[in-house]
Amino acid sequence: EIVLTQSPGTLSLSPGDRATLSCRASQSVSSTNLAWYQQRPGQAPSLLIYAASFRATGIPDRFSGGGSGTDFSLTISRLEPEDFAVYYCQHYGISPGITFGPGTKVDIK
Amino acid sequence: QVQLQESGPGLVNPSETLSLTCTVSGDSINNYYCTWIRQSPGKGLEWIGYVSYSGSTNYNPSLESRVAISIDTSKNQFSLRVTSVTAADTGVYYCARSRGYSSPLPLWGRGTLVTVSS
Repeated sequence: EIVLTQSPGTLSLSPGDRATLSCRASQSVSSTNLAWYQQRPGQAPSLLIYAASFRATGIPDRFSGGGSGTDFSLTISRLEPEDFAVYYCQHYGISPGITFGPGTKVDIK
Repeated sequence: QVQLQESGPGLVNPSETLSLTCTVSGDSINNYYCTWIRQSPGKGLEWIGYVSYSGSTNYNPSLESRVAISIDTSKNQFSLRVTSVTAADTGVYYCARSRGYSSPLPLWGRGTLVTVSS
C-alpha cells in the first residue's frame, strides 16, 4: 500500500508570497500517477496538476508541479487571494487504487 | 457542460444501508471510470472505490466488505451502497469521473452530506 505524507500541515503566508508544498510517497511511484488537487471551503476538490507536472485545463501558470520517485512538490509562485485553500496530493493506479495525502492548508498570515 | 450530481438520503440510521446515486449530464457515461470518494467532517479525502463502464470494480480494502458500486449506462448513472453504517461513515460523499483506473479525476460532483444517526 502506498502512503502519502504531506508537509507542512499548515503554511501561513501572505498574498504575493511563494508557496512550496511537499508530498512524499512511502515507496517509489511513477510520476505519471501523481496529481495535486485544491479544495476551497465548502467546495469539491478540483484537479490542478496531473502526471506530477502537467497543469489541468484552465489552471494558471503560477501553479507548477515537479518531482519524481518518492518526493514531489507543488509550487504556487505568487499567492492570489483565491489560492488560500487546502491542497491534496493523490496517487492513482490499479492497486490499491487511489490514495490521497492528508493535505496541506495554505492560510493567510 | 458535463456535470455530476450526487443524490440520496441525507440521514441514515446506524446499522442500515447508505445508498447514493451519481447522475452524469451533458455527456455519456460510456468509456469512463466512475469513482466515489468521501470526506469526514474536518478531515481529508478517502477513496471508496470505482466502477468501470464495463462494470468491473475496485474498492478500498478498508471498506471492501461493506461497499458495492454499480453502473447503469442506460440511465447515465452510477451508484454506491455502504452496508452496516456507523457514525464513522458520516461525511460528504463525492462522485467523480476519470478516463481510466490510472487516471486523475478532472470532474467531480459538488458532494452530498450523509449523516449517520438515529
